[in-house]
Amino acid sequence: DTAVSQTPKYLVTQMGNDKSIKCEQNLGHDTMYWYKQDSKKFLKIMFSYNNKELIINETVPNRFSPKSPDKAHLNLHINSLELGDSAVYFCASSRLRAGDGGYTFGSGTRLTVV
Amino acid sequence: TQLLEQSPQFLSIQEGENLTVYCNSSSVFSSLQWYRQEPGEGPVLLVTVVTGGEVKKLKRLTFQFGDARKDSSLHITAAQPGDTGLYLCAGGGGGSNYKLTFGKGTLLTVNP
Repeated sequence: DTAVSQTPKYLVTQMGNDKSIKCEQNLGHDTMYWYKQDSKKFLKIMFSYNNKELIINETVPNRFSPKSPDKAHLNLHINSLELGDSAVYFCASSRLRAGDGGYTFGSGTRLTVV
Repeated sequence: TQLLEQSPQFLSIQEGENLTVYCNSSSVFSSLQWYRQEPGEGPVLLVTVVTGGEVKKLKRLTFQFGDARKDSSLHITAAQPGDTGLYLCAGGGGGSNYKLTFGKGTLLTVNP
């Protein structure tokens, strides 16, 4: 069983469209995250939820909206997609503290906006 | 803002050579983690160090956390082609700060 699973793996879409990425973890972790990895491989945090509560919201355009229906799921919805949104988006989960066991990452969603 | 600088950014070596990757910051971290990422996959945790001066070994990989908890190093002995990948260090702020700050990574290529 995959510990952190993201869907879809690849997403190609036109500018202006709205799209969602889904993430599920079966590790029983309390905290989930969305990270964006740019073309230079830099990983930057976007959002984090702890037990369905938003605890980290970095400087991200409000076109990006996370939703956590329960502590095992964290989805990312993106409105009015722009060329600059093209990147690989990673979902991750951890126990209460990131230093306690580290993150488990999904395999990523490569978003290409054309 | 906590920043982590990794060096070198790129490293290409022959099988059997030794190498060291560095991760430096002006900030103190409560923990420091190393991940390896392969193409098309997410980063995979290799190790977590939490105590200043701590050294951990994972087969041919040796990880060290600086005494002041501001820096770390990863040393690989007798590198193999299977070690090829992007190595990322990440610092944790501790307490209620769940966020990890990542370095920009070191892309290692080990040639047979």
